[in-house]
Amino acid sequence: DTGVSQDPRHKITKRGQNVTFRCDPISEHNRLYWYRQTLGQGPEFLTYFQNEAQLEKSRLLSDRFSAERPKGSFSTLEIQRTEQGDSAMYLCASSLGGTRNQPQHFGDGTRLSIL
Amino acid sequence: DQQVKQNSPSLSVQEGRISILNCDYTNSMFDYFLWYKKYPAEGPTFLISISSIKDKNEDGRFTVFLNKSAKHLSLHIVPSQPGDSAVYFCAASDLGSGNTGKLIFGQGTTLQVKP
Repeated sequence: DTGVSQDPRHKITKRGQNVTFRCDPISEHNRLYWYRQTLGQGPEFLTYFQNEAQLEKSRLLSDRFSAERPKGSFSTLEIQRTEQGDSAMYLCASSLGGTRNQPQHFGDGTRLSIL
Repeated sequence: DQQVKQNSPSLSVQEGRISILNCDYTNSMFDYFLWYKKYPAEGPTFLISISSIKDKNEDGRFTVFLNKSAKHLSLHIVPSQPGDSAVYFCAASDLGSGNTGKLIFGQGTTLQVKP
């Protein structure tokens, strides 16, 4: 399977704990995006990487959130001191840059539940 | 401010008939539009896209129409099949120079195709 892979698929944790999610994009894709989706809504943009550089962060991304893509391949999204409002589906997408009009391909997401 | 809107939360059609899903946007800088399909517990799957320089794009049973003056796009599925039952998201992007290509999503429309 050469699609976008996310791990874990589900994460249940207590409020106040830290969590980390991983995304492995399609191998030749240099663009990587994180989105968050809550019930009844479409995905909302969180942050964007081009290779290893984080080039845009949404104002949704509070200082409790940090994302990395250290070698321009996989990416991690960490949430510190989780809150009830962080419960959502976290989606990763990748695309091929350098060519206009390339669609983003999504992983199956990590569903986070805060107890 | 909801820049991309799907005003119909749900749509039900008979197998073999046409499904028409609609989407409106407000940002005139959007120049790339996509439709994604989402099954429960899976990530969004790319269906079809259209650049703002076109007004129609067709791929098999799926056709997307873009009306730039009305800031409106639609997805036509002909003929509809029970396997098409899913949530459909419209998304838009501004691919202008220096932009990241992040997607702005609508709220989604749940399509049910009845056998």
